[in-house]
Amino acid sequence: EADIYQTPRYLVIGTGKKITLECSQTMGHDKMYWYQQDPGMELHLIHYSYGVNSTEKGDLSSESTVSRIRTEHFPLTLESARPSHTSQYLCASSRGGEQYFGPGTRLTVT
Amino acid sequence: AQTVTQSQPEMSVQEAETVTLSCTYDTSESNYYLFWYKQPPSRQMILVIRQEAYKQQNATENRFSVNFQKAAKSFSLKISDSQLGDTAMYFCAFMSPNTGNQFYFGTGTSLTVIP
Repeated sequence: EADIYQTPRYLVIGTGKKITLECSQTMGHDKMYWYQQDPGMELHLIHYSYGVNSTEKGDLSSESTVSRIRTEHFPLTLESARPSHTSQYLCASSRGGEQYFGPGTRLTVT
Repeated sequence: AQTVTQSQPEMSVQEAETVTLSCTYDTSESNYYLFWYKQPPSRQMILVIRQEAYKQQNATENRFSVNFQKAAKSFSLKISDSQLGDTAMYFCAFMSPNTGNQFYFGTGTSLTVIP
């Protein structure tokens, strides 16, 4: 299995809270991605990075932000969580070939 | 723009039988890769098989094989001798180095293997 990790795996939080979803990989991949996926549904790209200090917004508009200060770390932050943010968030990385996915964070905002 | 279409939202197959999942894509790129990913219920997304567009030979990984028709822009996945552990969502994906290595995913096919 690929060495890409996400924490927390599950999170239930109240509206208005600030949260950070962690993603790290130990493969030295330069490219990293965040997807949003409702259960059993398609993936929507919300952010991606081609390397340190590089971040771009994906196809799906998102109120989240990301940073890439280190190659192995690509955290996603929601400044003020809302119920509409309830979803699964998948992190992935690649070197130029296939993507490797983390286990996901299932976020519920009450 | 690249698009990936999976026209079968749900499929089922009897254990030990063979099933084929369809995928079509649209692109003007000549250099690209195609993938099938598997996402079991509540588990991690994993790569099943990949195909480089420049290779004419269809990729095979044990019970999984693809039928890559480049001219028709078709990339179907065949699962032979289906097992209960094959029950999952299957996503077809496209990636081209010429478009910034962005991945484009289909909407997925939910496959159920019936014992």
